[in-house]
Amino acid sequence: DAGVIQSPRHEVTEMGQEVTLRCKPISGHNSLFWYRQTMMRGLELLIYFNNNVPIDDSGMPEDRFSAKMPNASFSTLKIQPSEPRDSAVYFCASSLATANTGELFFGEGSRLTVL
Amino acid sequence: AQSVAQPEDQVNVAEGNPLTVKCTYSVSGNPYLFWYVQYPNRGLQFLLKYITGDNLVKGSYGFEAEFNKSQTSFHLKKPSALVSDSALYFCAVRDALTGGGNKLTFGTGTQLKVEL
Repeated sequence: DAGVIQSPRHEVTEMGQEVTLRCKPISGHNSLFWYRQTMMRGLELLIYFNNNVPIDDSGMPEDRFSAKMPNASFSTLKIQPSEPRDSAVYFCASSLATANTGELFFGEGSRLTVL
Repeated sequence: AQSVAQPEDQVNVAEGNPLTVKCTYSVSGNPYLFWYVQYPNRGLQFLLKYITGDNLVKGSYGFEAEFNKSQTSFHLKKPSALVSDSALYFCAVRDALTGGGNKLTFGTGTQLKVEL
């Protein structure tokens, strides 16, 4: 079975450039989560969607960050313009909301380095 | 509000010895509790969960966790550690009263190092 698929796995960019991270959730899952992981702050929830609708974006750091889920099988996290402090590993996770038991399935992550 | 605390940044144990990774939680209602493991350069993987029922929960790779309501704890345990258990372990909580999907709050993680 295909798990959560994220791309790119690694991204190195220069400050000021636009970065787009992509996620394909597990087929049939209707909740999607974007997390950011850094040494300093650990694992932070940025935003999550239920049935393609953003439910809670209180973790999005600032207006430079935006996330979309145009359909059930695709989501993007965009940073524009990027800054060195955005360097982190970004994880996408999906789950079946109606299962109500909290098991999230994580992708392998996208490691972002902003120079 | 829901929160979880992992008081140890790192736990070291010798292979073959029992291991414990500690977690305490805070929720308004009844807790749903979880352990996840992260190997280097990988995403988090689900290990086990407590929803209701027996306080001792068994999960993958021989791990188990004990729910203690009076101490608001959910410590992860394994009777005999393996070197391959070395990884980063996350405790997570969700308030059973929370609607809107499986929004979990994760702890800061505990690095487990098992040595020969």
